[in-house]
Amino acid sequence: AQTVTQSQPEMSVQEAETVTLSCTYDTSENNYYLFWYKQPPSRQMILVIRQEAYKQQNATENRFSVNFQKAAKSFSLKISDSQLGDTAMYFCAFMKPNTGNQFYFGTGTSLTVIP
Amino acid sequence: GAVVSQHPSRVICKSGTSVKIECRSLDFQATTMFWYRQFPKQSLMLMATSNEGSKATYEQGVEKDKFLINHASLTLSTLTVTSAHPEDSSFYICSARAGGAGGPQHFGDGTRLSIL
Repeated sequence: AQTVTQSQPEMSVQEAETVTLSCTYDTSENNYYLFWYKQPPSRQMILVIRQEAYKQQNATENRFSVNFQKAAKSFSLKISDSQLGDTAMYFCAFMKPNTGNQFYFGTGTSLTVIP
Repeated sequence: GAVVSQHPSRVICKSGTSVKIECRSLDFQATTMFWYRQFPKQSLMLMATSNEGSKATYEQGVEKDKFLINHASLTLSTLTVTSAHPEDSSFYICSARAGGAGGPQHFGDGTRLSIL
């Protein structure tokens, strides 16, 4: 089974500052997908960003970007210009295609943006 | 974007009651849906994979007779918690995958189940 590790249970950042959430994973696969999901207090899971393992270029979505290091099996999320609405649990997820498309989630990082 | 609707959002019922939770993909067809359980301040635990027109695939340790899954159409999967007890109280979330290989899962809003 794949394992996904998020080593930071809780983090905080000042509003407008930048924060990086770490994620590492363990797999022997070469083709896979990585995701970051956000779960605010409303509990809905919201897709933040997605990365294909075969792409060397790091994915970006507005204020959110990733640092994907395939050899190191690392997939960190950088949030720039943090906003109060970014306060949420953030989950890193791994998916290996064509095997039921199951997601393997990390344990999550609780991020608090401080005004 | 792809929308997944989950109903009800909150259920409070007595011990011994069976509870049905619905998960619908509103604007796309989903041959596969997933059911998760989440305890407070913990990650999502995959319970089962729901496949349209066939039996669900349950994760190890999940009782298939306790958590009945039906995926009768390409847009609807249901999870029935049979004879629920207080230890079944939890947050249940469904998801469905849209698009081809590598497509993200889209999640419902979840159901808070409380068994008295």
